[in-house]
Amino acid sequence: DSGVTQTPKHLITATGQRVTLRCSPRSGDLSVYWYQQSLDQGLQFLIQYYNGEERAKGNILERFSAQQFPDLHSELNLSSLELGDSALYFCASSVGSGIAGELFFGEGSRLTVL
Amino acid sequence: GENVEQHPSTLSVQEGDSAVIKCTYSDSASNYFPWYKQELGKGPQLIIDIRSNVGEKKDQRIAVTLNKTAKHFSLHITETQPEDSAVYFCAASKGGGSYIPTFGRGTSLIVHP
Repeated sequence: DSGVTQTPKHLITATGQRVTLRCSPRSGDLSVYWYQQSLDQGLQFLIQYYNGEERAKGNILERFSAQQFPDLHSELNLSSLELGDSALYFCASSVGSGIAGELFFGEGSRLTVL
Repeated sequence: GENVEQHPSTLSVQEGDSAVIKCTYSDSASNYFPWYKQELGKGPQLIIDIRSNVGEKKDQRIAVTLNKTAKHFSLHITETQPEDSAVYFCAASKGGGSYIPTFGRGTSLIVHP
């Protein structure tokens, strides 16, 4: 158990819809990272937050947004969903930012868009 | 940006054999190279990492080597066991505010009893 909690574990929805994925980092971790894992693209970095502020941005679509709340949990919002958005979405956390070290991953949220 | 290539995509070995997974990276400024293991239904978990000031690091049956000049690094697993079966990801990252790992596409290791 990494200590990172993601909900929901599975989500099935239709094209055009909007979903929210939730992540609670390990106790004491200030950084949250979101990754998308698909069969053909591997683990793609989407966005990082540190202590409530956006710190780094990767290949995140404009239809996607995220935020980190004062209690440090984070949400990833996916809107106008397309079939290609079907993937496993991972949240990871770490103690700080700018420090080379371990990311602790949750078990992921599997999104299926029909 | 950084690009990490990983080979092979699938590796099948017999229990007790050694397994080697190789990765190359493109950004010479990268200085931190972690390896993650992902078991079925789980998130990736760090198994070993190496920094650019070190050429080799060992932890029991696992070792990682780094060649900065050639920009490649490898994971070596000796005396493989069925529980080593998983997907392994290499990654590369550098400083400058955030150490965001860029991952390879993964290697599915299958260890046959």
